[in-house]
Amino acid sequence: DVVMTQTPLSLSVTPGQPASISCKSSQSLRHSDGNTYLYWYLQRPGRSPQLLIYEVSKRFSGVPDRFSGSGSGTDFTLKISRVEAEDVGVYYCMQSVQLPLFTFGPGTKVDIK
Amino acid sequence: QVQLVESGGGVVQPGGSLRLSCEASGFTFSDFGMHWVRQAPGKGLEWVAFIRYDKNKAYYADSLEGRFTISRDNSKNTLFLQMNSLRVEDTAVYYCAKDQILGEWGQGTLVIVSS
Repeated sequence: DVVMTQTPLSLSVTPGQPASISCKSSQSLRHSDGNTYLYWYLQRPGRSPQLLIYEVSKRFSGVPDRFSGSGSGTDFTLKISRVEAEDVGVYYCMQSVQLPLFTFGPGTKVDIK
Repeated sequence: QVQLVESGGGVVQPGGSLRLSCEASGFTFSDFGMHWVRQAPGKGLEWVAFIRYDKNKAYYADSLEGRFTISRDNSKNTLFLQMNSLRVEDTAVYYCAKDQILGEWGQGTLVIVSS
């Protein structure tokens, strides 16, 4: 089974400053169809998770362009160019290369300094 | 807009059963696969199950050991999760989510397994 790890597990950021979260998988997330099935979700406090990024770098509908995803193979990064107060919450990466199994990372908690 | 409304959660004793529902609106339900994902109190997200849009295949997390069954009624735009032989460790908020990419999520329904 694919194991997902995230670093750091906790991050405190000054508003207006950038932030970066790393996600690593135990095996390549590049599928034989050429796509890489790595996703990023944000769960704000007390709220349901929401999709930010799919297939490594594609922003979901309505997601601000300060969020960006990158990476390949087993190493991926979510970047927030300028953190805002509403970006507080827990960020999860998820893989689905091993369809139909889906695996979440442990989550990275982001708060504001 | 897409709406997913879960219901059916509650308190149940260990060994008991519960059936969760997720009523969908705002999109053509029969065109999309659907997931259940759960979150134990203070913990991270755990994928539970996925069912294809056409119902002809369902998939489950290994950890469930065959106790849960995902199903759907496309005529009623509703997703279900039948949970049997419930354990204390099944206590969680259960979310339904739309599409393989989990693009939209419901608000969740809380299941508490306790004696």
